[in-house]
Amino acid sequence: DAGITQSPRHKVTETGTPVTLRCHQTENHRYMYWYRQDPGHGLRLIHYSYGVKDTDKGEVSDGYSVSRSKTEDFLLTLESATSSQTSVYFCAISEPQGATYEQYFGPGTRLTVT
Amino acid sequence: ELKVEQNPLFLSMQEGKNYTIYCNYSTTSDRLYWYRQDPGKSLESLFVLLSNGAVKQEGRLMASLDTKARLSTLHITAAVHDLSATYFCAVDISGGYQKVTFGTGTKLQVIP
Repeated sequence: DAGITQSPRHKVTETGTPVTLRCHQTENHRYMYWYRQDPGHGLRLIHYSYGVKDTDKGEVSDGYSVSRSKTEDFLLTLESATSSQTSVYFCAISEPQGATYEQYFGPGTRLTVT
Repeated sequence: ELKVEQNPLFLSMQEGKNYTIYCNYSTTSDRLYWYRQDPGKSLESLFVLLSNGAVKQEGRLMASLDTKARLSTLHITAAVHDLSATYFCAVDISGGYQKVTFGTGTKLQVIP
């Protein structure tokens, strides 16, 4: 499972509150990613990181920020949660496999914004 | 902007039958991935396809890549109930950043 954990696994929060999701990996992978999964949309990239303090936006980054102060932790923050951010959030790492890389996913966090 | 389209979106098939899931993408790429997701679970990597004409097989699943047609297929042979899941393709055009764009997924239901 590439040593990826996510916390919390489930969270219910109210509109307007800040929320931080944590992704933790134990194998020193350089690349880390945050996705959201919604019915009819597959997985969409929110932000990704290619090293400590090196992050960039994905296709659905509005309303989200990230931080990576240590190799092992990649934090996703919803500054002021909205109902449209109700989703399942997956963290992933990218690991070299021969001539390419493969992404491995964490168990997911189900977030409900009421 | 890269678009990745899968069809069908839903597939109900009987055990023992064959079927193919299609993944079309809009921008040149030679890296395509297939994933499986069981209900309520995370994604599991199935295949990595790296070049035109690449073919990978695992059990009853076979994936292929035609980069000229910008098409990948996931063929299911003699389906069994355990293959019921959602299957995603994902395409990488990011060069060195390993950023992939996912298709919307194909939900496969195999009926005994």
